[in-house]
Amino acid sequence: EAGVTQFPSHSVIEKGQTVTLRCDPISGHDNLYWYRRVMGKEIKFLLHFVKESKQDESGMPNNRFLAERTGGTYSTLKVQPAELEDSGVYFCASRLAGGSYNEQFFGPGTRLTVL
Amino acid sequence: AQKVTQAQTEISVVEKEDVTLDCVYETRDTTYYLFWYKQPPSGELVFLIRRNSFDEQNEISGRYSWNFQKSTSSFNFTITASQVVDSAVYFCALSETDKLIFGTGTRLQVFP
Repeated sequence: EAGVTQFPSHSVIEKGQTVTLRCDPISGHDNLYWYRRVMGKEIKFLLHFVKESKQDESGMPNNRFLAERTGGTYSTLKVQPAELEDSGVYFCASRLAGGSYNEQFFGPGTRLTVL
Repeated sequence: AQKVTQAQTEISVVEKEDVTLDCVYETRDTTYYLFWYKQPPSGELVFLIRRNSFDEQNEISGRYSWNFQKSTSSFNFTITASQVVDSAVYFCALSETDKLIFGTGTRLQVFP
């Protein structure tokens, strides 16, 4: 079974440009999460989808970030316009619906560098 | 507020040494879960263990063991007889409802 995949693996852009990150969850996983790790700091939650609905977007840093999950399958995270402080590794995770625990399966991450 | 502290930023050991990675957490919830993830050089986060707040039994899996102590709010991770392949960043995490609260990670370097 394929794991969580993310594209691209690396992205280098200039300040002010737009970047779109993509996450494909494990097939059948209704829950999809975005996290971000800024250099040397903790991995921070950004938002959580249940199918196509945003369940919790309390971690989104500002309105330059837009996440979508049309059709409840893959998700995109767009940063527009990108700023220097947006640099970091963006992780996506997915989880089956239900269950009494929160085992999230993570993708390899997208390393974003804003120059 | 929930918080996870991994005070050790980086640890270096020589192969075959035992090493313990510390994790201290804060939460007001009575029901919660604790996790350890490994991030090898390839970048992905690999799930290692989940422990719920009602189960304080220590767990051993091969060379890995975990010590959960609610009295000190700690969930420490020990690698016995470390190997070069154990070199990675290790993250401790706490579940808050449906999202994970991570520590800053501990980079473990195991030298041959």
